Amino acid sequence: GDSVTQMEGPVTLSEEAFLTINCTYTATGYPSLFWYVQYPGEGLQLLLKATKADDKGSNKGFEATYRKETTSFHLEKGSVQVSDSAVYFCALYSIYNQGGKLIFGQGTELSVKP
Amino acid sequence: DAGVIQSPRHEVTEMGQEVTLRCKPISGHNSLFWYRQTMMRGLELLIYFNNNVPIDDSGMPEDRFSAKMPNASFSTLKIQPSEPRDSAVYFCASSGQGAPTGELFFGEGSRLTVL
Repeated sequence: GDSVTQMEGPVTLSEEAFLTINCTYTATGYPSLFWYVQYPGEGLQLLLKATKADDKGSNKGFEATYRKETTSFHLEKGSVQVSDSAVYFCALYSIYNQGGKLIFGQGTELSVKP
Repeated sequence: DAGVIQSPRHEVTEMGQEVTLRCKPISGHNSLFWYRQTMMRGLELLIYFNNNVPIDDSGMPEDRFSAKMPNASFSTLKIQPSEPRDSAVYFCASSGQGAPTGELFFGEGSRLTVL
């Protein structure tokens, strides 16, 4: 079945450091890919998305490119801030997966220190 | 605009008691999802509805769990009887017809503690 694998956390960075959170997927067909973010004590929020190969999603300084050849959707940010501390979830959606379900990775916790 | 509204935000109960969690989706959204989040198992989809009809309940852990959506603006998740292993944060999410699929709007969650 479809699945998403993320790098394990927690990831601890200093403010203004470069961030990469790796995400790879296994899916039938051509899924849409997403990054969601969960701030402490809150629900998940959509951060960015890409619906086809080579698309780049971007929002709030974060970017991720849909790479079909490597089945990856790595999240990057050039300069992180303390306010970016959160848990980040990679996810895929495919209509071939049991009639359409959003499949989440296990989440990667990011902690940014001042 | 109001987002997805869940209640209660926090619930502490004793083993064996009935628990009812409530969700009001975003107006106009036609799909509703219940997720459970724990440290050990991460984020699990329990059940989802489309146009008030349950489409996939394969994630419901056992018969103690039940979910209903009597109308487009309200859903409940019930646990009876509750057990300590049910302690988790339960999220409700909704998505709209015509929106790119996979874009969910989550509530703030209901944190359940079963003693």
